[in-house]
Amino acid sequence: SSVLTQPPSVSVAPGQTARISCGGDNIGARGVEGVHWYQQKPGQAPVLVVYDDSDRPSGVPERFSGSKSGNLAALTISRVEAGDEADYFCQVWETYNNRANWVFGGGTKLTVL
Amino acid sequence: EVQLVESGGGLVQPGGSLRLSCVTYGFNFDDYEMNWVRQIPGKGLEWVADVSMSGRTTYYADSVRGRFIISRDNAKKSLYLEMNNLRVEDTAIYYCVKSFSFHFDSWGQGALVTVSS
Repeated sequence: SSVLTQPPSVSVAPGQTARISCGGDNIGARGVEGVHWYQQKPGQAPVLVVYDDSDRPSGVPERFSGSKSGNLAALTISRVEAGDEADYFCQVWETYNNRANWVFGGGTKLTVL
Repeated sequence: EVQLVESGGGLVQPGGSLRLSCVTYGFNFDDYEMNWVRQIPGKGLEWVADVSMSGRTTYYADSVRGRFIISRDNAKKSLYLEMNNLRVEDTAIYYCVKSFSFHFDSWGQGALVTVSS
């Protein structure tokens, strides 16, 4: 099955832009239906912030955006705020051995300096 | 407002069994696939199992296939996870998750399962 690779940590000053990458051999392949991103703050459940590569659920600030090129996806957070400090996970769906399979990246801890 | 409320977590010995339940509110339950996702505290997320809208089709992660059973009761708007032959490495927070078009759009607060002697 797919392996999604994320940097363990990213640090950014308030007001700057944070970019979190998610790499995988199959990200750009057919049968992998988009890349999705989740934010998880300490002690809380994950929350969807980007789906289908670049769409935002209602209620998620426009500062959060997603992109994908080839086998690399990215979550970009503009004008970072202290409240954005959290763990971020990417996720894809794929077919593996003729079965459905949902795969998560290892997660990236965003620190706001 | 969508709500998913898990119950049934606890401490169990290796080799034992446990059943998680998830009652849902605020959406047409039988219009959506449902999933369980787990997380070792402080670690990453791992998808565990998926069940179709009707309940007739299920998928499992390799790590739990043959030991866990996902099911649903659409009349009760509830999702279940029967966990058998539990291992220490199954210790995690288990989230009940609503899925839509290959992603997870709503999560419960989680139920902690601890497998230890």
